[in-house]
Amino acid sequence: DAGVTQSPTHLIKTRGQQVTLRCSPKSGHDTVSWYQQALGQGPQFIFQYYEEEERQRGNFPDRFSGHQFPNYSSELNVNALLLGDSALYLCASSVWTGGRRDTQYFGPGTRLTVL
Amino acid sequence: QQQVKQSPQSLIVQKGGIPIINCAYENTAFDYFPWYQQFPGKGPALLIAIRPDVSEKKEGRFTISFNKSAKQFSLHIMDSQPGDSATYFCAASINSGTSYGKLTFGQGTILTVHP
Repeated sequence: DAGVTQSPTHLIKTRGQQVTLRCSPKSGHDTVSWYQQALGQGPQFIFQYYEEEERQRGNFPDRFSGHQFPNYSSELNVNALLLGDSALYLCASSVWTGGRRDTQYFGPGTRLTVL
Repeated sequence: QQQVKQSPQSLIVQKGGIPIINCAYENTAFDYFPWYQQFPGKGPALLIAIRPDVSEKKEGRFTISFNKSAKQFSLHIMDSQPGDSATYFCAASINSGTSYGKLTFGQGTILTVHP
């Protein structure tokens, strides 16, 4: 049973560029959440997708956008990159079970470096 | 009200010791409290989780103690091993009803277990 997968593993961009990160959820999961983890910090919630719609959003600017596809996979897009966007970007997936949302399982992350 | 406060920031124990990591929360609507273990360069991996209707949960060498009235919960690692050296994060979420289970993380505890 494949877990959450993310691509690419590492990415180097320069300020002002745009980046797209990809995530495939764990088999059977229908919800994808994205988190940003700065060095030495806990993950911070960016947004969450369910049924191809953004359902919740954290305190991140509109430069951060996303998409969920019919096969439940997801993309995170960041425009006009800033140095402060350098971080580990984590994708997590979950599913409804018995009337409540089940545990979120995380992928290995994409390390984004902005120069 | 969405914060989760975690302590200590770092912890050093000898092999066989019992490190204890504490977390406190404010939002009484939280109904799911997972602990994640993270190794350098990897995504967080679910260790153990508890719901507020239970005061204690054990899985192998890991135990969560939960005090609903104090709004605190803690992780105990029995017979700690050098391989347990990692960063530990507590988290909280609302998983019931129409909520989507957005995780709010603590700041993390760097655990070092000496041989």
